[in-house]
Amino acid sequence: DSGVTQTPKHLITATGQRVTLRCSPRSGDLSVYWYQQSLDQGLQFLIQYYNGEERAKGNILERFSAQQFPDLHSELNLSSLELGDSALYFCASSVEGSGGREQYFGPGTRLTVT
Amino acid sequence: GENVEQHPSTLSVQEGDSAVIKCTYSDSASNYFPWYKQELGKRPQLIIDIRSNVGEKKDQRIAVTLNKTAKHFSLHITETQPEDSAVYFCAASKANSKLTFGKGITLSVRP
Repeated sequence: DSGVTQTPKHLITATGQRVTLRCSPRSGDLSVYWYQQSLDQGLQFLIQYYNGEERAKGNILERFSAQQFPDLHSELNLSSLELGDSALYFCASSVEGSGGREQYFGPGTRLTVT
Repeated sequence: GENVEQHPSTLSVQEGDSAVIKCTYSDSASNYFPWYKQELGKRPQLIIDIRSNVGEKKDQRIAVTLNKTAKHFSLHITETQPEDSAVYFCAASKANSKLTFGKGITLSVRP
């Protein structure tokens, strides 16, 4: 157990809908990262937050948004869902904002868009 | 930006043999190189990492070596076991920058 929690574990929804994925970082970690992993694909970096502020942005679609709250948990919002958004979504946390520190991954949320 | 490549994309070894997985990176300023293991349907787990001020690091059956001149680093697994079968991701980053992951290598250990 990495100490990073994600809810829900599974999510099935229809095209055009909107969902919210939640992540709680390890105690003491200030940074949260979101990744998308499609079937047989690598880890695509979406976005990073550090202590409530956006720190880095990757290949995140405009239909997706995220935020980090004062208690440091983070939410990833996916809207106008398409079939191609079906994937595993991981969040990871680390102590610092720098990418040079260890990132610990949560168990992931498996999103299925039908 | 940083580009990380892994070679080969799949690797099959006999149980008990050694496995070596190699990654190359493009940004000479990168100074942190972790390796993650991901079993099917599970989260990536950090198994070992190395920083640019050392050339090699070992932890029981796994080791990582870094060649800064050639800009490549490798994961070495000795005495492989069936439970080592997984996808292995390498990554690289520099200070105050995100991790860039390779595409992953599927390691199969034949019993």
